[in-house]
Amino acid sequence: AQSVTQLGSHVSVSEGALVLLRCNYSSSVPPYLFWYVQYPNQGLQLLLKYTSAATLVKGINGFEAEFKKSETSFHLTKPSAHMSDAAEYFCAVSGVTGGGNKLTFGTGTQLKVEL
Amino acid sequence: EAGVAQSPRYKIIEKRQSVAFWCNPISGHATLYWYQQILGQGPKLLIQFQNNGVVDDSQLPKDRFSAERLKGVDSTLKIQPAKLEDSAVYLCASSPGTRGLGTGELFFGEGSRLTVL
Repeated sequence: AQSVTQLGSHVSVSEGALVLLRCNYSSSVPPYLFWYVQYPNQGLQLLLKYTSAATLVKGINGFEAEFKKSETSFHLTKPSAHMSDAAEYFCAVSGVTGGGNKLTFGTGTQLKVEL
Repeated sequence: EAGVAQSPRYKIIEKRQSVAFWCNPISGHATLYWYQQILGQGPKLLIQFQNNGVVDDSQLPKDRFSAERLKGVDSTLKIQPAKLEDSAVYLCASSPGTRGLGTGELFFGEGSRLTVL
C-alpha cells in the first residue's frame, strides 16, 4: 500500500517569503509523486509530478519539488510567495491497480499568503 | 480541448433522498474515477473504471452508492438513500489509462458539491 503524509494542515507566509509545504511518502515500490493545487470551488490542478527522471522537478507558477529517497520526502517549494498562491495543496502518490493510474492523496495543506 | 464536465455543481437534499451526479471525461480517456472529498480531507477514491469495466470499487459503500459507465464514455454516480455523512464534493477525473505504474496525471472536473440536511 502507498500513502503520503502532509505535515501541517495550515501554513501562513508573508508575500515574497519562501513557501515550503511538506510531504512524506510511504511506498513498497518506486513511487510516482504529484502535487496538486485546488482553488476555492474548483477541481484539482496538477502543479508538478515526479516520475523517476530528474529528482528536482519544476512545475507551473514557479513551484518546484525535490524527490529525496533517503528522507522519503517530496516537499514543495516556491522562492517568493504571491497572493494568488493562496489555495489548498495536495500531495499524492501513484499506485498500481491493474490498469490506469490510481492516486492516493494526502490530507492537504491550506496555504495563506499575507501582505 | 474540453475538460472534464460534471453536473450538477451544487445539490442540496434531505437525508434518505436520492441523488445522481454525471460526469463526461476528456474525449479518448479510457480511465474514469470518482473521488469523494469531505471538507478538510483529501480526496478519497470511490471507484475507478477502465473503459466500461470496474477496476477498483473497494472503497465504494455499495449498500447506498452505485456507479456506472455505460459505453465507456460518461458516467453516473448515484447515492440512495443519502446520509448526513455523504455531504462532500464528488470529483470526477479521467486519464488516458496507462497500464502499470502510473506516470500520467489525472484531469479533474470542478466537482459536484452535495449537502445532505
